[in-house]
Amino acid sequence: GNSVTQMEGPVTLSEEAFLTINCTYTATGYPSLFWYVQYPGEGLQLLLKATKADDKGSNKGFEATYRKETTSFHLEKGSVQVSDSAVYFCALTSNQAGTALIFGKGTTLSVSS
Amino acid sequence: DTEVTQTPKHLVMGMTNKKSLKCEQHMGHRAMYWYKQKAKKPPELMFVYSYEKLSINESVPSRFSPECPNSSLLNLHLHALQPEDSALYLCASSPGASGRAYNEQFFGPGTRLTVL
Repeated sequence: GNSVTQMEGPVTLSEEAFLTINCTYTATGYPSLFWYVQYPGEGLQLLLKATKADDKGSNKGFEATYRKETTSFHLEKGSVQVSDSAVYFCALTSNQAGTALIFGKGTTLSVSS
Repeated sequence: DTEVTQTPKHLVMGMTNKKSLKCEQHMGHRAMYWYKQKAKKPPELMFVYSYEKLSINESVPSRFSPECPNSSLLNLHLHALQPEDSALYLCASSPGASGRAYNEQFFGPGTRLTVL
């Protein structure tokens, strides 16, 4: 079945450091891939997405590229801020309507000034 | 309107109470979802409605009863819950129509439920 594997956290960085959170997936066909972010006490917000191989999703300085050959969708940011402290979830879904998101376990990012 | 709203934001209930959670979206989405999220864990799917019909029930106990009165509204009726049901309950919707992004899911802020 489909699955998502995310690097275990927590990840602790200083402000302006480079961030990578690894995500690999197992899926049949051509899933869509997502990164969601959850700030403390809040719901999930879509951070970025990619719907086909070699697509690059980007938002708020974060980027991730859909790599079919390595089945990966790693999240990167060149310079993190304290406000980026949150839990980040990698997720995939098939392209059938009304099917669930498959989430990774989540990675907690803590950025200090 | 590009958001999913959920009410109430917080709910405290006893094990004998009956309460309901409400979710609303006005994006014309045709699929709606209930997820349950425990602290420090990813969301777990509970139910999916597609075109107002229940299409997926992930073996959820009958003390949780979903309802989709129309394409914009999704309810979750709660009865005789247990303390272990305390969690953040998230609603989501997706377009559910043709097109590459039709399964992109938009989440509401959640209802934080505490069962005493």
